[in-house]
Amino acid sequence: EAGVAQSPRYKIIEKRQSVAFWCNPISGHATLYWYQQILGQGPKLLIQFQNNGVVDDSQLPKDRFSAERLKGVDSTLKIQPAKLEDSAVYLCASSLALDNEQFFGPGTRLTVL
Amino acid sequence: QKEVEQNSGPLSVPEGAIASLNCTYSDRGSQSFFWYRQYSGKSPELIMSIYSNGDKEDGRFTAQLNKASQYVSLLIRDSQPSDSATYLCASRWANQFYFGTGTSLTVIP
Repeated sequence: EAGVAQSPRYKIIEKRQSVAFWCNPISGHATLYWYQQILGQGPKLLIQFQNNGVVDDSQLPKDRFSAERLKGVDSTLKIQPAKLEDSAVYLCASSLALDNEQFFGPGTRLTVL
Repeated sequence: QKEVEQNSGPLSVPEGAIASLNCTYSDRGSQSFFWYRQYSGKSPELIMSIYSNGDKEDGRFTAQLNKASQYVSLLIRDSQPSDSATYLCASRWANQFYFGTGTSLTVIP
C-alpha cells in the first residue's frame, strides 16, 4: 500500500511570495489533515477534510492560508503572501475516518527568506 | 486554549532500561490520546492509541491513561538505541488534535 505522498519536499522562497503544497492521501482514506510543524514544536493542525468538506479550519490563518480538496482525494495548501514565521515543515496526514490512525507523509520543508 | 504538555527532555536511559515518558492535558473533554515517535528529519509515526482509563500494552510499549488526573504516559521496556527519537503526545477533543512539543529520548548503548 502506497503511503501519503507530498510534493515538493523542500521549498525556499522570499517573504511576500506565494507557495503551494500538494498532498495525495492513501487510497480510500476519507479524512485528510494539514499540519504545520515549527522546529522544536509539535505539529499544529491547520485544517481537516472529510472527503471534500472542511471539518475544522479553526487554526488556519485564513488571511494568508487556503486549502482545498475539490474531488475528495488529493489536496493543495497555499500560502499567499508568505511571512518569515511561516518557515516550518508542512505535514499532510490521512486516515480512513475521523479518529482512526493518522498516517503522515514525508512533509514539505518551507524556508522563507 | 487546549494544551498538551510534555517535558522536553532530553531523557537519557541506558540500553535495556525502562524509559518513562509523561504527558498532561488541560481539557477534561479530551476523548482520545496518542503517542507518536518522530525521528529527526522524519514525519511522526503512531505507536499507541488509548481511549479508556488503565493500561494498554503493545510489545515493548505500554500506554497508561488516568483521566481523573489528566495524565497519559508511555513506558518503553528493554529500551534499544533505535528507540532514540522524539516522542509526541497528542489528544483529540471533538474534531481537533492537539500535540505536545515532544520529549527527546536517547538510549545509550
